[in-house]
Amino acid sequence: DIQMTQSPSTLSASVGDRVTITCRASQSISSWLAWYQQKPGKAPKLLIYKASSLESGVPSRFSGSGSGTEFTLTISSLQPDDFATYYCQQYNSYRTFGPGTKVDIK
Amino acid sequence: QVQLVQSGAEVKKPGASVKVSCKASGYTFTSYYMHWVRQAPGQGLEWMGIINPSGGSTSYAQKFQGRVTMTRDTSTSTVYMELSSLRSEDTAVYYCARVKQLAQVKDAFDIWGQGTMVTVSS
Repeated sequence: DIQMTQSPSTLSASVGDRVTITCRASQSISSWLAWYQQKPGKAPKLLIYKASSLESGVPSRFSGSGSGTEFTLTISSLQPDDFATYYCQQYNSYRTFGPGTKVDIK
Repeated sequence: QVQLVQSGAEVKKPGASVKVSCKASGYTFTSYYMHWVRQAPGQGLEWMGIINPSGGSTSYAQKFQGRVTMTRDTSTSTVYMELSSLRSEDTAVYYCARVKQLAQVKDAFDIWGQGTMVTVSS
């Protein structure tokens, strides 16, 4: 099974900050990686698919990069609506989610 | 609009089974693979398995093999997830989620149901 890790597990930031979250796979997954945002009591929302493709309707301040085993999600200028938990997911073999990164207010 | 509507909350005793439904609308039901994901209280997301609504074929996460069954009813555009031999650790919100692209197995999940809370308690 492919294992996913994320760092950091929690990130404290301010509005306007540039935020970067890292996701690592235990083996190469090519570019078969997605990023989701989840707010309390809500279903996850797709942000990025195929490592770097922005989902329709998602603000351009979100971007993804990477391939193989190391990936990043960047929020160029954090907005109040962005405080949430972020998960990466590999879909190269079966499906595995990372443990999540909570972005909270500094 | 494209949406997935799940059945309501359930409370079950240990050892029982639960069957959660997910009704699709706004698109061609048989053209998009569907997944089930669960989330225990305060925890992360856990993938359970996939079903092809067209032919009904399934693939399950090893953790749930033998305890989970995913089925579909094309006449009502509904997929089902049944989990048996429930234990307290199965207390979670269960989500159905559709893949983004037509007929793609390797794909992200762009449409999610609202979630169904399943509580296992004696």
